[in-house]
Amino acid sequence: AQTVTQSQPEMSVQEAETVTLSCTYDTSESDYYLFWYKQPPSRQMILVIRQEAYKQQNATENRFSVNFQKAAKSFSLKISDSQLGDAAMYFCAYRSFYGGATNKLIFGTGTLLAVQP
Amino acid sequence: KAGVTQTPRYLIKTRGQQVTLSCSPISGHRSVSWYQQTPGQGLQFLFEYFSETQRNKGNFPGRFSGRQFSNSRSEMNVSTLELGDSALYLCASSFGGKEGYTFGSGTRLTVV
Repeated sequence: AQTVTQSQPEMSVQEAETVTLSCTYDTSESDYYLFWYKQPPSRQMILVIRQEAYKQQNATENRFSVNFQKAAKSFSLKISDSQLGDAAMYFCAYRSFYGGATNKLIFGTGTLLAVQP
Repeated sequence: KAGVTQTPRYLIKTRGQQVTLSCSPISGHRSVSWYQQTPGQGLQFLFEYFSETQRNKGNFPGRFSGRQFSNSRSEMNVSTLELGDSALYLCASSFGGKEGYTFGSGTRLTVV
């Protein structure tokens, strides 16, 4: 069974600075998808970034980028130029490559990010 | 386009009662998944429906059930409510899942 681990329950960053959130996972599959979701106090989970394991290039979405290390099973999220609106709970999630009966997300426990003005 | 709509947003029920939650996915999305979020257990997968069929089920007791209608709208039902069922229930829709999932704002269920 796959597992996702986020070892940092809370992180803090100064506005305009850079912060990196860690995520490791365990799987015996060779192909899969990884996601970072943001959950602000409004409760709605918002997709931040997505990575396909068969692509070596790290995904980037504006100020958000990932460092995907497949051999190490590591998938960290870097937020550059942090803004007050980035304050939220961040979840790392895994999805098997093959859909059907495995079409589900496996989440980590989350990292609560605070942004200091 | 409209997002994923979950109703109601808040619900208070008494132990032993049953409850039905509703989820309307993004137009064109045929897959609807349900997740339970609690402070103690985190986010846990309940089940997934695709074209009115349950394709996948998490490790929850039979009191938790769901269904999907021909227009892809989904409902989940919890019977004989227990205090431990108090949670945020999130619905997510997707076209296939590989591109990611769009979540609703959830239903906060409190069992007293």
